[in-house]
Amino acid sequence: KNQVEQSPQSLIILEGKNCTLQCNYTVSPFSNLRWYKQDTGRGPVSLTIMTFSENTKSNGRYTATLDADTKQSSLHITASQLSDSASYICVAPYSGGGADGLTFGKGTHLIIQP
Amino acid sequence: KAGVTQTPRYLIKTRGQQVTLSCSPISGHRSVSWYQQTPGQGLQFLFEYFSETQRNKGNFPGRFSGRQFSNSRSEMNVSTLELGDSALYLCASSPTPLEASTDTQYFGPGTRLTVL
Repeated sequence: KNQVEQSPQSLIILEGKNCTLQCNYTVSPFSNLRWYKQDTGRGPVSLTIMTFSENTKSNGRYTATLDADTKQSSLHITASQLSDSASYICVAPYSGGGADGLTFGKGTHLIIQP
Repeated sequence: KAGVTQTPRYLIKTRGQQVTLSCSPISGHRSVSWYQQTPGQGLQFLFEYFSETQRNKGNFPGRFSGRQFSNSRSEMNVSTLELGDSALYLCASSPTPLEASTDTQYFGPGTRLTVL
């Protein structure tokens, strides 16, 4: 069964600090891995999309890494800001189509404190 | 360019009723997918339409159905509503089908459905 597991479930850090969120996936066949940011009451916004051949991709202060051998991805946030407070969701589509077109992690709820 | 729009934004229904939600994708996008989000289960994939054809379907009962029109607008229907159907329903659009695509998906703001 295709699964995506994220950790930690929630995280509180001080403004200006860095943090790393983890995502482990068991999706086959693998197509790509996506990270989304979801503010409370809004739809998710795409941060990065990584294919099998990419191991690092950045979007401003957000840097995602992918290790296809260990089936792990991480999202690193540098110099956090209050606006980074949100849920971060890891998503693994798979290329087989069918019933599990997209497999979502439960998300990491990040709170940035001033 | 206008983003993905969903109507209505909020909806209150009672058990046994049916509901239709609407999604207008970004202009030029032909893939529309639907998701259910609840605090307990997180985001779950419902189905995807591309060029008026359903391409993928998640593990939801047949009460959940959808369709896509020739202008790529999509509707989702839930019949015989249950209390557990209370959720945020999100739709997303992209230029190409989800399967093996690296195109960015753009989500709408969602429709908050409450079933009493």
